[in-house]
Amino acid sequence: GENVEQHPSTLSVQEGDSAVIKCTYSDSASNYFPWYKQELGKRPQLIIDIRSNVGEKKDQRIAVTLNKTAKHFSLHITETQPEDSAVYFCAASTNQAGTALIFGKGTTLSVSS
Amino acid sequence: DVKVTQSSRYLVKRTGEKVFLECVQDMDHENMFWYRQDPGLGLRLIYFSYDVKMKEKGDIPEGYSVSREKKERFSLILESASTNQTSMYLCASSLGDRVKAFFGQGTRLTVV
Repeated sequence: GENVEQHPSTLSVQEGDSAVIKCTYSDSASNYFPWYKQELGKRPQLIIDIRSNVGEKKDQRIAVTLNKTAKHFSLHITETQPEDSAVYFCAASTNQAGTALIFGKGTTLSVSS
Repeated sequence: DVKVTQSSRYLVKRTGEKVFLECVQDMDHENMFWYRQDPGLGLRLIYFSYDVKMKEKGDIPEGYSVSREKKERFSLILESASTNQTSMYLCASSLGDRVKAFFGQGTRLTVV
């Protein structure tokens, strides 16, 4: 089955800096890669996703890149703000009916002002 | 707006009890999932269902079972609760072959 590794487990940055979180996956059939943000005490929320026919996707200050050959994908947050502090999870799936997202272990991002 | 609702936010149960965690979604989603969240271990898949009465084991199904009698409801059952099942349980749902999943608010279960 799919296995997703995520690094780093914790990340501390100063406000305004960039943050990068990296994930690798094992199943070459995976073709859907979402990122979820979980604020303290709240449910995970989808913030951005990418499919395997796209190499990069941006949404304001966040972007995701995908390298299918190397089987890794990354989340980039620019101009970080204190409200970006949260746990971020990457996931992978084959995007077929009857399949499930497999998640990484999460990255705790702390943005200090 | 998709709504996934878990019946309890907090539960305290005794060792050996049979425990039911309920999840309901209101968007006619085919797929429903149960994950367990523990610090440092992320979200681990327990079971999922892609249709009524259908179920598939995830990565950590031992000690758990599930029931999906209606499309909107997916129940997680702990047959005989143990202290190592103390955890946050998250339900999620998604539409057909679109794996974009929406999560419930979570149930924090403590087994004493």
